[in-house]
Amino acid sequence: ETGVTQTPRHLVMGMTNKKSLKCEQHLGHNAMYWYKQSAKKPLELMFVYSLEERVENNSVPSRFSPECPNSSHLFLHLHTLQPEDSALYLCASSQEAGYHQPQHFGDGTRLSIL
Amino acid sequence: KQEVTQIPAALSVPEGENLVLNCSFTDSAIYNLQWFRQDPGKGLTSLLLIQSSQREQTSGRLNASLDKSSGRSTLYIAASQPGDSATYLCAVCYNFNKFYFGSGTKLNVKP
Repeated sequence: ETGVTQTPRHLVMGMTNKKSLKCEQHLGHNAMYWYKQSAKKPLELMFVYSLEERVENNSVPSRFSPECPNSSHLFLHLHTLQPEDSALYLCASSQEAGYHQPQHFGDGTRLSIL
Repeated sequence: KQEVTQIPAALSVPEGENLVLNCSFTDSAIYNLQWFRQDPGKGLTSLLLIQSSQREQTSGRLNASLDKSSGRSTLYIAASQPGDSATYLCAVCYNFNKFYFGSGTKLNVKP
């Protein structure tokens, strides 16, 4: 049990579909993160939330829309995705947002775009 | 743009061997550096976090060092075991929420 749970574990969708990825952390942390891990590329930070407020958005296309309704839940809403968006999407949390905090990761959602 | 490089990309060693994984970064003005382990199909597990003011951190058979001036960090694994087989990632943090990851070193420890 990692303390950070992501659902679904696998998702296959067409380019015109709309779906959402869910992340839940049971660690009492105040910061949550979305990362993208593509094959043969370094892990890329997408979004950072601190106390439900977005504090970082690393030039992510608008077809990815994050939502943080409370400090325990984080969503990534997907629409009109492209084949190059196929990747492992990882969620993480830390006690507070910031450089001095170790991050705890979920096992990810493997996304395939047809 | 900051770059984080990990060498080698893959490493295969017999059980019991001591080994060193390398991480280099282009901008030495870091806040911290973190080493992670990733098993196939899984998320990342934090192993060691070194603050910019520190030289090294140790946890069990793992020792991570940091040399900011040369832009390098090493992860030393003593007496390797088959259970150590995984991909090891280093991540450098430059300010509040700017994290940059290397591509990882895939380690295989043969029984």
